[in-house]
Amino acid sequence: SYELTQPPSVSVSPGQTGSITCSGETLVNKNVCWYQQKPGQSPVLVIYQDSKRPLGIPERFSGSTSGNTATLNISGTQALDEADYYCQAWDSSIEAFGGGTKLTVL
Amino acid sequence: QITLKESGPTLVKPTQTLTLTCSFSGFSLTTSGVGVGWIRQPPGKALECLALIFWNDDRRYSPSLKNRVTITKDTSKNQVVLSMTNMDPVDTATYYCAHAAFNWNYIKYYGMDVWGQGTTVTVSS
Repeated sequence: SYELTQPPSVSVSPGQTGSITCSGETLVNKNVCWYQQKPGQSPVLVIYQDSKRPLGIPERFSGSTSGNTATLNISGTQALDEADYYCQAWDSSIEAFGGGTKLTVL
Repeated sequence: QITLKESGPTLVKPTQTLTLTCSFSGFSLTTSGVGVGWIRQPPGKALECLALIFWNDDRRYSPSLKNRVTITKDTSKNQVVLSMTNMDPVDTATYYCAHAAFNWNYIKYYGMDVWGQGTTVTVSS
């Protein structure tokens, strides 16, 4: 089965850019999505097809994929961005999720 | 407006079969490019995609669970049903269903854009 690797935690200061990585074999050839999940809530799609934002997602969320690594950037990070973030890749068999990254806004 | 809601038992005994229903509105599971997935999340752990069913009745299963999981749809009732056999305490989790979007030949994936609220299932004797 396809595996995605994320760092368990990332810290960022308010107003700075937080970056979360996701690694997987030939990830650039897959459709990468990113989800935000706050405690007690269902996940929310924040990035799809590597870099596209769904309607209603703030512009400070951006994504990119190169080689085996996808990156979610949150610019001008706010306290309300503190959450768990999961990457997901579609490889035509099943959507694999990464292990999740807890973003802490210090 | 797309909505999904999961329903089913909150408590299941070990070895029993779990059956969960996802009732949805705002879309049709006969429309090209539409899918519904089941995802679970054990307490404090990561998301895991269990199964996915497409508009054309094609299905995908998690390799680690494919011998235990079955996904079906009833388009007349706007429901998707997940069955999981031989439940074990490690299957204790919140189970979500979600609307997923693809292009016609599955090459492009647009993500799981709407999720249900989730239903918590505990496996215990």
